[in-house]
Amino acid sequence: DGGITQSPKYLFRKEGQNVTLSCEQNLNHDAMYWYRQDPGQGLRLIYYSQIVNDFQKGDIAEGYSVSREKKESFPLTVTSAQKNPTAFYLCASSLGTETEKLFFGSGTQLSVL
Amino acid sequence: GENVEQHPSTLSVQEGDSAVIKCTYSDSASNYFPWYKQELGKRPQLIIDIRSNVGEKKDQRIAVTLNKTAKHFSLHITETQPEDSAVYFCAAKITKFYFGSGTKLNVKP
Repeated sequence: DGGITQSPKYLFRKEGQNVTLSCEQNLNHDAMYWYRQDPGQGLRLIYYSQIVNDFQKGDIAEGYSVSREKKESFPLTVTSAQKNPTAFYLCASSLGTETEKLFFGSGTQLSVL
Repeated sequence: GENVEQHPSTLSVQEGDSAVIKCTYSDSASNYFPWYKQELGKRPQLIIDIRSNVGEKKDQRIAVTLNKTAKHFSLHITETQPEDSAVYFCAAKITKFYFGSGTKLNVKP
């Protein structure tokens, strides 16, 4: 179960507040990803990073921001501009974007107060 | 971009029966097709995968078949057990992963 750690497991956001979800991996993976999962839907890509200090928008990046200052860390900030943030957020990593196997963290459930 | 459709959305089988979940994809450039199992509130776990140069792959009770011409691939679970109950996701990869919407499998004892 180790290798990629997300925290916290549960997070509550007040209106107008920014919140940050943590994702850390010790697998020495270059690529890291953030996915959003809504009930009854598949995983949708928010942002991904192929290498330190570089990241690209996914399919639903609006209202989110990321940073990749260290290889092992890829935090996701859910900003107040994201009007419907309630979802299960999954972080994942792989050796590189050309390699195939994705390893997932255990997820963060974000809810709005 | 790629579009992955997955059916059925829910599947209920009796213990010991077989279960089949199907996915179609739109982009013929997709070259890798994994299947993930996700239990409630847990992380998705890779259970089997197949590359575009292979037609079938089997691992004990689980198998995946790929039809590149028709652009569809399927997950087959034989001799189902209650612990197989979970949500199953398919995905297709070009440079990024595109996921299906998931199938909730319920195996009744």
